[in-house]
Amino acid sequence: QQQVKQSPQSLIVQKGGISIINCAYENTAFDYFPWYQQFPGKGPALLIAIRPDVSEKKEGRFTISFNKSAKQFSLHIMDSQPGDSATYFCAASGGTGANNLFFGTGTRLTVIP
Amino acid sequence: NAGVTQTPKFRVLKTGQSMTLLCAQDMNHEYMYWYRQDPGMGLRLIHYSVGEGTTAKGEVPDGYNVSRLKKQNFLLGLESAAPSQTSVYFCASSPHGTNYGYTFGSGTRLTVV
Repeated sequence: QQQVKQSPQSLIVQKGGISIINCAYENTAFDYFPWYQQFPGKGPALLIAIRPDVSEKKEGRFTISFNKSAKQFSLHIMDSQPGDSATYFCAASGGTGANNLFFGTGTRLTVIP
Repeated sequence: NAGVTQTPKFRVLKTGQSMTLLCAQDMNHEYMYWYRQDPGMGLRLIHYSVGEGTTAKGEVPDGYNVSRLKKQNFLLGLESAAPSQTSVYFCASSPHGTNYGYTFGSGTRLTVV
């Protein structure tokens, strides 16, 4: 059972456009929602994260929007650049356990010039 | 500052052979994890450790064993490799568990023929 559902599987965006990746969860105990960025041949790297006490977090061109009532969160990449082409994973965790971080299945983003 | 280092980067095994994947971190992190990444399935947790001398099973532990004899090292063993274990393996570490960012290694691409 997938704890975190991510869509779309792949996304193609023109340079300068907005990339939007969506994730949904069911477990209301989740209280930490990170996004990871992975370039080909590399490991995932933490991009940005949010906790449910805020509805939005922005870091440069990357913004997480969080809707607690809908149990959804999304990543927005403004002014998308070819260098943003990568696979993006959302994730969610909650509680004090060491093994309760659950990843989405990933979105392969391609930004075309 | 090397972060998380995985060796080897690539390996081809014959069915039934054994091997050990090494993960080393220099950040004094308590928690360490082994994941496998397969197309369309995201990252799945194999085993994890919450400190030196401890190990625990994750979501997909069958066919794998782990050891954490030193805080900085986390070893993943395959006793009798099977084609289903063809995957990309990632090690990660975290200072305090799932509610903090993970640092991933660059991965080991394993092919079992």
